[in-house]
Amino acid sequence: GAVVSQHPSRVICKSGTSVKIECRSLDFQATTMFWYRQFPKQSLMLMATSNEGSKATYEQGVEKDKFLINHASLTLSTLTVTSAHPEDSSFYICSATPQVGTNEKLFFGSGTQLSVL
Amino acid sequence: SQKIEQNSEALNIQEGKTATLTCNYTNYSPAYLQWYRQDPGRGPVFLLLIRENEKEKRKERLKVTFDTTLKQSLFHITASQPADSATYLCALPANQAGTALIFGKGTTLSVSS
Repeated sequence: GAVVSQHPSRVICKSGTSVKIECRSLDFQATTMFWYRQFPKQSLMLMATSNEGSKATYEQGVEKDKFLINHASLTLSTLTVTSAHPEDSSFYICSATPQVGTNEKLFFGSGTQLSVL
Repeated sequence: SQKIEQNSEALNIQEGKTATLTCNYTNYSPAYLQWYRQDPGRGPVFLLLIRENEKEKRKERLKVTFDTTLKQSLFHITASQPADSATYLCALPANQAGTALIFGKGTTLSVSS
């Protein structure tokens, strides 16, 4: 099956610093990747849809200047949490699918646990 | 907007029994509905997709049903094993354009031996 690799798996940073999370599709090309955030015992919340070669589409309430998304190639999308604060501490997960223009059968990365001190 | 309800936060059953998890949606009937498994600290793993014109789908010990009248999907695991212990998430398109997927909070299944 398709593999999505996400790094790092865990990061601890000081308040005010920026953190970059990478999401790679290892054996398929992904025109679209999705970034989710999950708080403990809560559902995955879609943050943004990342489109290769164009600007990301952000969900309502997600600050695009705080959560910078870059999808420079068909196999790599990055999420940068800028000027992180403790309230940004969460589990961030990316996903992708080999199928174009669909949300069917998403493959997820293993997630990044961000802790901001 | 579409909302998903997975009524049971936790379900505890004995090994060998059948686990049945429920997913209800509140608005229009989606073109499809998906079930994922999530282990602690990991990303979800796709299990099954069922389309609106399908009543039932099976994969090994898993069975999913889709009742558009009741606005409900049931997810069954037969002959459950301790290794089936995980959180199971229901997901469906957030809107009729299908441009985003929304997830339920999940049901955490614990299978005891």
